[in-house]
Amino acid sequence: SQQGEEDPQALSIQEGENATMNCSYKTSINNLQWYRQNSGRGLVHLILIRSNEREKHSGRLRVTLDTSKKSSSLLITASRAADTASYFCATANTGGFKTIFGAGTRLFVKA
Amino acid sequence: NAGVTQTPKFRVLKTGQSMTLLCAQDMNHEYMYWYRQDPGMGLRLIHYSVGEGTTAKGEVPDGYNVSRLKKQNFLLGLESAAPSQTSVYFCASSDYRAGNQPQHFGDGTRLSIL
Repeated sequence: SQQGEEDPQALSIQEGENATMNCSYKTSINNLQWYRQNSGRGLVHLILIRSNEREKHSGRLRVTLDTSKKSSSLLITASRAADTASYFCATANTGGFKTIFGAGTRLFVKA
Repeated sequence: NAGVTQTPKFRVLKTGQSMTLLCAQDMNHEYMYWYRQDPGMGLRLIHYSVGEGTTAKGEVPDGYNVSRLKKQNFLLGLESAAPSQTSVYFCASSDYRAGNQPQHFGDGTRLSIL
């Protein structure tokens, strides 16, 4: 069973544009994380937002969390060709031993 | 600083054969995890370990066994490989519970079962 579901499944934009990806989940969470996966590589952690936080920034990344709607968004500003990758949200329940990953959004940034 | 290293990177097996995937981490992390990734799906947890000598079942444990004899190593075994186990397998480690800390991933083992 998948907790997080990303939307859209795929996104194609021009370099310099902003990219927004959304994640919805079903049950109460302790926190939510976003990961990036380049083709043929493992996942790389981008940012973690706790359930009592509403927004978090890291460089060109902005993550929001709305626990009342059980949703999160990842915004990448001024995208670059190097941002081309799959992006996954991951949620953990209160116990925290298991992280559940969504199916991901494939982002393609055209130079 | 290698992080998480998985061996082998690629492997082709025949149905019924057995094999072991090795994961090694050099960050002194307590927690280690094995996931599988199939097309169009997120990662699914197979087994995990919260410390040396401990293992626990994840979401899809059937057909797999694991061992954590040393803190830095986490082995995933396929006793009798089946075509349904064709997948990309990822190992990860974290300093604390996966949900509360970032996980560090290896680059995966691509396994095909014929």
